Amino acid sequence: KNQVEQSPQSLIILEGKNCTLQCNYTVSPFSNLRWYKQDTGRGPVSLTIMTFSENTKSNGRYTATLDADTKQSSLHITASQLSDSASYICVVSLGTYKYIFGTGTRLKVLA
Amino acid sequence: GAVVSQHPSWVICKSGTSVKIECRSLDFQATTMFWYRQFPKQSLMLMATSNEGSKATYEQGVEKDKFLINHASLTLSTLTVTSAHPEDSSFYICSARSDRANYGYTFGSGTRLTVV
Repeated sequence: KNQVEQSPQSLIILEGKNCTLQCNYTVSPFSNLRWYKQDTGRGPVSLTIMTFSENTKSNGRYTATLDADTKQSSLHITASQLSDSASYICVVSLGTYKYIFGTGTRLKVLA
Repeated sequence: GAVVSQHPSWVICKSGTSVKIECRSLDFQATTMFWYRQFPKQSLMLMATSNEGSKATYEQGVEKDKFLINHASLTLSTLTVTSAHPEDSSFYICSARSDRANYGYTFGSGTRLTVV
């Protein structure tokens, strides 16, 4: 069964701290993996996309990693800011128009 | 970059009425758009795939007669929630696939529907 599991479900950190979100998937065939940030009441916004051959991708303070062998991905947020408070969704693509969404991690950054 | 505009951003309607939500690709053509529903603290659930010039493809369990989808042009898809009930209250999000977004999803900003 194609599944994307994210952990933790929720996370609270202090401003300025780093954190890492996890995404494990059992999806086949694998096309690419994306991380999205979704602010409350808004649509998701793409952060990174990685294909099978890519191990890491950065977007500012966000760095995503991918281990295609273990089928794991992580999103590392450096020097967190209050505006990082949001849900982070891992999405794995099986191919054209076929996507499996993770349930997301809700991040709260406190001052 | 690829921009998807969704309107309205929020709407309150009475039970039994119909509500139309619009999804527009502003700077690209989208032959295919997608409609999602999201309940609080849950992930996005695909409702249907909207194809320009043809009938939408609905996911299992989604009532096609209740959630009418029209994709009349390459830049516009509409979702009409007919005879809305309180249980239809949810966050509805559209997205479109664009080569400008590296063939990924570009999402609209979502519509918060509250049925009273």
